[in-house]
Amino acid sequence: AQRVTQPEKLLSVFKGAPVELKCNYSYSGSPELFWYVQYSRQRLQLLLRHISRESIKGFTADLNKGETSFHLKKPFAQEEDSAMYYCALRWNFGNEKLTFGTGTRLTIIP
Amino acid sequence: GAGVSQSPSNKVTEKGKDVELRCDPISGHTALYWYRQSLGQGLEFLIYFQGNSAPDKSGLPSDRFSAERTGGSVSTLTIQRTQQEDSAVYLCASSLARGQTGQPQHFGDGTRLSIL
Repeated sequence: AQRVTQPEKLLSVFKGAPVELKCNYSYSGSPELFWYVQYSRQRLQLLLRHISRESIKGFTADLNKGETSFHLKKPFAQEEDSAMYYCALRWNFGNEKLTFGTGTRLTIIP
Repeated sequence: GAGVSQSPSNKVTEKGKDVELRCDPISGHTALYWYRQSLGQGLEFLIYFQGNSAPDKSGLPSDRFSAERTGGSVSTLTIQRTQQEDSAVYLCASSLARGQTGQPQHFGDGTRLSIL
């Protein structure tokens, strides 16, 4: 069965410092990986997806199949990055459900 | 509206009562999903609809939980004889057609259910 692990429940980073939120997965096929973000009093929203290889709000994430990781990175943290971040996995074909990690609450210290 | 709409936003009910939660997906989205987020837990998948049929109900925790979708649009999640452990935020999401890789799921604001 597929599983997503986010080892850090809480992460505090100073403004301007680099950010890395870790995500590891276990799945034997070819997964699709996503990062979702939930800002305070807002709905869960897509941040980025590995298939697009894009940078959103300065964040990037590279799928590393050898290490089964999809870590989220940003070189310089901003205060508005404070939020709850969820890593999620979906089978490439067939079952469409998302399997989520338990989330990491990121706090940016001014 | 432009996004996924869920109602009610909050529901408080007594143990043993039945509740119905509603989800109105984004227009044109044929796939619809229900998730549950309990205190301190991640998001837990409940059920997935493609059109009006539910090819994956594997996440429904018990036979007290059921869901239906009519007209390929609105879905209702029903919990019968509610228990305190049913207290959670119930999230609905929708996405474009199945099989298109990379299609994200768009989430509603959720219904916060509290069982007294």
